[in-house]
Amino acid sequence: GENVEQHPSTLSVQEGDSAVIKCTYSDSASNYFPWYKQELGKGPQLIIDIRSNVGEKKDQRIAVTLNKTAKHFSLHITETQPEDSAVYFCAVLLGTASKLTFGTGTRLQVTL
Amino acid sequence: ETGVTQSPTHLIKTRGQQVTLRCSSQSGHNTVSWYQQALGQGPQFIFQYYREEENGRGNFPPRFSGLQFPNYSSELNVNALELDDSALYLCASSLQGRGTGELFFGEGSRLTVL
Repeated sequence: GENVEQHPSTLSVQEGDSAVIKCTYSDSASNYFPWYKQELGKGPQLIIDIRSNVGEKKDQRIAVTLNKTAKHFSLHITETQPEDSAVYFCAVLLGTASKLTFGTGTRLQVTL
Repeated sequence: ETGVTQSPTHLIKTRGQQVTLRCSSQSGHNTVSWYQQALGQGPQFIFQYYREEENGRGNFPPRFSGLQFPNYSSELNVNALELDDSALYLCASSLQGRGTGELFFGEGSRLTVL
């Protein structure tokens, strides 16, 4: 089955700095790569996603890049704010099923 | 807010008992998936229901079962509870056939097994 690795497990940045989280996957047939933000006591919230026919996607301060050859994709958050503090999960979808395989999560802390 | 609602939000059970968790999907969504999230881990796929039938299953034993109703709401049942079943159980709804893979999660039901 699909294997997803996520790094780093924890990340601390100062407010205003950028944060980058990287995930690698194993199955080259994977075609959908979402990122979820999970705040304490809440369910995961979809923040951005990218499909295999696109190399980069941006939404305000958040961007995702995909390298299909290397089988990795990254989340980039610029101008971080305290409310960005949360656990971030990458995920991978294989084919047209709805089964997502998640990474192990990155705890992002944005300090003042 | 995703429109996916789950109940109960928290519950405590003892080993060997049975539990039923409920989920109402987002309006217009016909597919419900269940995930188990252990503390400090990413969500793990349990199974998916589409048109009231199981449509894919992860590595979970048969004592994990589910139902989907005509209104697309769903239940997750776990029999013979074990300590390791303690986790956050997440329901996610989606629109099958659209092929987007977009899942919208509820807030989860936190189960503690003593």
